[in-house]
Amino acid sequence: DQQVKQNSPSLSVQEGRISILNCDYTNSMFDYFLWYKKYPAEGPTFLISISSIKDKNEDGRFTVFLNKSAKHLSLHIVPSQPGDSAVYFCAALDEKLTFGTGTRLTIIP
Amino acid sequence: NAGVMQNPRHLVRRRGQEARLRCSPMKGHSHVYWYRQLPEEGLKFMVYLQKENIIDESGMPKERFSAEFPKEGPSILRIQQVVRGDSAAYFCASSPGTPAAGNTIYFGEGSWLTVV
Repeated sequence: DQQVKQNSPSLSVQEGRISILNCDYTNSMFDYFLWYKKYPAEGPTFLISISSIKDKNEDGRFTVFLNKSAKHLSLHIVPSQPGDSAVYFCAALDEKLTFGTGTRLTIIP
Repeated sequence: NAGVMQNPRHLVRRRGQEARLRCSPMKGHSHVYWYRQLPEEGLKFMVYLQKENIIDESGMPKERFSAEFPKEGPSILRIQQVVRGDSAAYFCASSPGTPAAGNTIYFGEGSWLTVV
């Protein structure tokens, strides 16, 4: 019973273009959403979050959009840089964090 | 301002042995979480602890696994009689307060357990 889904296991984007990572959830009780970035052999690093009362949050090159009616959120990275190549996890919060399965983003120089 | 510290980073155990993974949360954080990442899978919640209390252990296997977060000292994830399927990366995370209040959860670098 996967409550948080990232349907694209991988994504390749040209350097300088926009990367869009998608996430869907099923539990309407989730009230806070986070994106984490993970390099191999390291722990997840917090990137950006959004409360369910908002529909957009922006931090530098990273913007998260939330569509509550569709139970969908997305992370936009623009412009994409080679250092952004990593696995990105979407996570949703009620009492604990529930993670999606991740999307491996590769930025092509 | 040290982050979440986990040790050991890498641990090799033979089948049937015990594994103990330690986690020191960030300074001022009283909430600790353990997650497991099996090869080629996402992060799966195991247990959520506050000082001396287990808040949610719905993700813990029913047998062989236990966790504690004593009043003094690090949180410990203990796996008894390890089997090959326990081989995974175990991540600890901490937060200063209740996640529902919007407190960000920060992760450690992980402990990689290999069972041979």
